[in-house]
Amino acid sequence: DTAVSQTPKYLVTQMGNDKSIKCEQNLGHDTMYWYKQDSKKFLKIMFSYNNKELIINETVPNRFSPKSPDKAHLNLHINSLELGDSAVYFCASSRDSNTEAFFGQGTRLTVV
Amino acid sequence: GENVEQHPSTLSVQEGDSAVIKCTYSDSASNYFPWYKQELGKRPQLIIDIRSNVGEKKDQRIAVTLNKTAKHFSLHITETQPEDSAVYFCAASNPAGTALIFGKGTTLSVSS
Repeated sequence: DTAVSQTPKYLVTQMGNDKSIKCEQNLGHDTMYWYKQDSKKFLKIMFSYNNKELIINETVPNRFSPKSPDKAHLNLHINSLELGDSAVYFCASSRDSNTEAFFGQGTRLTVV
Repeated sequence: GENVEQHPSTLSVQEGDSAVIKCTYSDSASNYFPWYKQELGKRPQLIIDIRSNVGEKKDQRIAVTLNKTAKHFSLHITETQPEDSAVYFCAASNPAGTALIFGKGTTLSVSS
């Protein structure tokens, strides 16, 4: 059973398009995150949700909008995609931020 | 907010040698310090973690030390093997307890 799953694994799209990445966890965790990993491998926190409520929004452009329909899901919608949005996006979950975070397999987004 | 610095950015060792990666954090209120290993094209996975009430923790060939006074922690890998080659990330929980903040990663290469 996959603990944290995100889809799609690969996403190639043109500038200006809108796209979504879905994430689901079956671990019963209260906290979920989105991280962006750029070409230099830096893992940067984008959003943190606890029990469906947004608790961190780290200087992310408002073209990025997370949505948590329930505490097992945290989806990421991106409007008006730009070349600089190309990266690997990781969803993760944990019981809380002081325990192990489990990562999804990542979504490699390429904007052309 | 919390800032995590990690050194070195790249590390090359011969098989059987030891490898040490060092991190510093900025906020003395942080209390959870995990280390993640990310193999090429894969998701980050926890290899060891330590909490602020412990100074050292070992798991077979891997050990982590924490110096709260100096606000730094280190990963030690002994008897390195080619399969240890990967990117290693240190992280610290932010004081608000809302997210893990990652260092910029160390690319470890173990040659046989």
